[in-house]
Amino acid sequence: RKEVEQDPGPFNVPEGATVAFNCTYSNSASQSFFWYRQDCRKEPKLLMSVYSSGNEDGRFTAQLNRASQYISLLIRDSKLSDSATYLCVVNGPDKIIFGKGTRLHILP
Amino acid sequence: GAVVSQHPSWVICKSGTSVKIECRSLDFQATTMFWYRQFPKQSLMLMATSNEGSKATYEQGVEKDKFLINHASLTLSTLTVTSAHPEDSSFYICSADVGAMVEMNTEAFFGQGTRLTVV
Repeated sequence: RKEVEQDPGPFNVPEGATVAFNCTYSNSASQSFFWYRQDCRKEPKLLMSVYSSGNEDGRFTAQLNRASQYISLLIRDSKLSDSATYLCVVNGPDKIIFGKGTRLHILP
Repeated sequence: GAVVSQHPSWVICKSGTSVKIECRSLDFQATTMFWYRQFPKQSLMLMATSNEGSKATYEQGVEKDKFLINHASLTLSTLTVTSAHPEDSSFYICSADVGAMVEMNTEAFFGQGTRLTVV
């Protein structure tokens, strides 16, 4: 089983739709979790930290399920500017591991 | 947030030459820095973990003699791609450990990345 797995996509969704990403991780000792956004040819930028209690930031909601070892990201009312690659990042116990990323294309 | 500066942002070099990439933490001391490589349409792959004052830890499959890492100070880590070949063309990104980041559950801070093209 890969350390961090994501559906590579691409997800092609119309503007205004809701889109959900999932990510699974294999090491139960992992300590913290993040979603990063990466635009083409740019460095990844933090989108959200992910907590067991769930957290929301505007149109974005992240959730962590430690028992099932998966992380989710929900984007509501998607915008054209949301088009990017979304990387699931798992931190610890001794290194930072990136998922392969899920490409999202928002269609006008 | 913490600032990590990576230089150069892009470089083109001839096959067989060496290229040095610098990663600096501008407003904090980074005891650990991570070096990643990203091929087109793929995710970031950890190459090595750079520890200040000690040898870097390389991931399986990464040639330590080809990718030389030096972390001589708490604010600077360098990656040197030696005898570069076209297959080394990639996007290289560093990220810095902000105070034992892995333990403190804080986000990773990234340099801007270096796009290396070997011709």
